[in-house]
Formats: sequence, structure tokens, C-alpha cells
Amino acid sequence: NAGVTQTPKFQVLKTGQSMTLQCAQDMNHNSMYWYRQDPGMGLRLIYYSASEGTTDKGEVPNGYNVSRLNKREFSLRLESAAPSQTSVYFCASNWSWDRDVWGGNTEAFFGQGTRLTVV
Amino acid sequence: AQRVTQPEKLLSVFKGAPVELKCNYSYSGSPELFWYVQYSRQRLQLLLRHISRESIKGFTADLNKGETSFHLKKPFAQEEDSAMYYCALSGVRGGSNYKLTFGKGTLLTVNP
Repeated sequence: NAGVTQTPKFQVLKTGQSMTLQCAQDMNHNSMYWYRQDPGMGLRLIYYSASEGTTDKGEVPNGYNVSRLNKREFSLRLESAAPSQTSVYFCASNWSWDRDVWGGNTEAFFGQGTRLTVV
Repeated sequence: AQRVTQPEKLLSVFKGAPVELKCNYSYSGSPELFWYVQYSRQRLQLLLRHISRESIKGFTADLNKGETSFHLKKPFAQEEDSAMYYCALSGVRGGSNYKLTFGKGTLLTVNP
């Protein structure tokens, strides 16, 4: 049972280079997330997808784009990497739905993280 | 806007002492509240959610709507409780309201 799989685990980029972080989940979840984790800043939401075909900006979307390719996959793209994007990136997924009708958010499962360094 | 505040970045206690990790939130309506934990070199994982009203690993958390708080408590801390703890909030109805918003986290260290 793979859960949430992120690739790559580590990446070093030069300023201005582009790259795509891949995320896939095999739990048939409807919601998927991309977060970045920085010392003293906690987890900050970059983008969010409530269902296949929809994406929404989170707290820190500038410099990033996302694609919800299908229900399983949610990729994060850095078009022109900057040193400020040096961080650990986490993908997550869960079921999100109306609490009063279906019981609300279920447990979110996280990927193992991608440590990105931009030099 | 939904916001989660964890006022303590670091919390250090001795083994056997009580521990309380504070969490306050801002949300117009009735949110869902969660505590997630990240042990060293492991993935974030759910510790507990307020709807379940359960105790996990001796931890409990009560939602106080009047004080907009969801503090995490344990009467007797153990060394294996040392970890980063995140409080998280989600809206309960509709589209982007479901997004999970996390606080900045509290690093708990339990000393022998």
C-alpha cells in the first residue's frame, strides 16, 4: 500500500531553472495539497485541489503552478526557480466533504517530502 | 480567512511532567480541528481530530469555541513524545473551505 508518493526526494537547481515535483496517491482521495515547510514558518499551503479538475491558491502560490492531471496525480511546477524557494515540499491527500452530510475531512496522508535547494 | 496560531515554537519538559501545547484559531463558523505530529525523520501523521473525541497515545484535545482554542494535553510526558506538533484547521462545507491550514508548529522536547 504505497499511500502518497513524491518524486524526487532531493533536488538541487540553479536560479532560473525549472522543474516539476510529482505526487501520486492510490487511496482514491478527492483532495490533494502542496505545502512547503520552512524553519519557524511551519507548513504553508501553496496550492490545493478539492477535486479532479479544480485547483485553488493557498497562502504562498507565487512562483508556482500546479496541475491536477487526474484523480491520482497532482504536480507542482517551478517555472523559474529562486533561492527563496529553497524548502522542503510536501504533498498530501485526503477525503474532504461536507461534515454534516458525510462527516467532514478524513485523515490527511503525507508524502515523504522533497528537499529542494536553489543555488 | 482561516488562521491557526501556535504561540510556542519550542516547549521543553521533563519526563513525567504534564504538557500542554497551545493552539488558537480564527474561523467564521464551526471548523474541524486536528493535531498532526512529525517524529524525527518520519512523515507527518494524524494524532487526533476533535470530532473523534478520542485519546491517542495519552493525548487529548478539547475544542473550546468560546476561546477559539484546541489545546493538546498529556498528563505525563514520555521521551518518545518528543516531536514537532502541528495544529490544523479545515472548513466544513464547500470547495476551497475544505483546505487544511496548519499552524507554525511547536517542537516538543521531553528530557529524561
